Amino acid sequence: GAVVSQHPSWVICKSGTSVKIECRSLDFQATTMFWYRQFPKQSLMLMATSNEGSKATYEQGVEKDKFLINHASLTLSTLTVTSAHPEDSSFYICSAPRQGPYEQYFGPGTRLTVT
Amino acid sequence: QKEVEQNSGPLSVPEGAIASLNCTYSDRVSQSFFWYRQYSGKSPELIMSIYSNGDKEDGRFTAQLNKASQYVSLLIRDSQPSDSATYLCAAINTGTASKLTFGTGTRLQVTL
Repeated sequence: GAVVSQHPSWVICKSGTSVKIECRSLDFQATTMFWYRQFPKQSLMLMATSNEGSKATYEQGVEKDKFLINHASLTLSTLTVTSAHPEDSSFYICSAPRQGPYEQYFGPGTRLTVT
Repeated sequence: QKEVEQNSGPLSVPEGAIASLNCTYSDRVSQSFFWYRQYSGKSPELIMSIYSNGDKEDGRFTAQLNKASQYVSLLIRDSQPSDSATYLCAAINTGTASKLTFGTGTRLQVTL
């Protein structure tokens, strides 16, 4: 069964609003989680590493003030897309390592559409 | 040069045949390797992990790792139409806090 969940699975929002996406590890603790974005027919792009109890680490070119990450507990990380614009429309996926530090399991993803 | 490279395909194989997916990597520090399957519109699903040289078998899947040649492969025996998906190769340098480096993926089509 699923080991990482995401909520919501899809969301439509108006331009200029903010959207929060939750990522939960279901039966294990994750001090680190990862956030990816994927545009149609393109590969996964790592956006940031979410660290429990400390600041997230963002990949080059990702605006940390636009994509706010909070990892407040060992089972929950959230990604908030602030002041969303149509170009932020994408498939957002989180992952967490389980069964040792290297095997990462992905959540089902959140499809964001900004109108 | 990309750190993990895959042929984008599509790789087309008939039902029942063996599909062979290949991946090369450039970072000699990479120590662990993974194959993910991604259906269109879905998130990646981990299907195999391999950490040491040689073969690792799990059902119809066999992963092969050759660290000297910096080469990882995935064989799918008795290919089924349900195997049609994009297969992503990923590597980890254990010094980078579990950060995976993905290839661009190979699209597999299993034809009837």
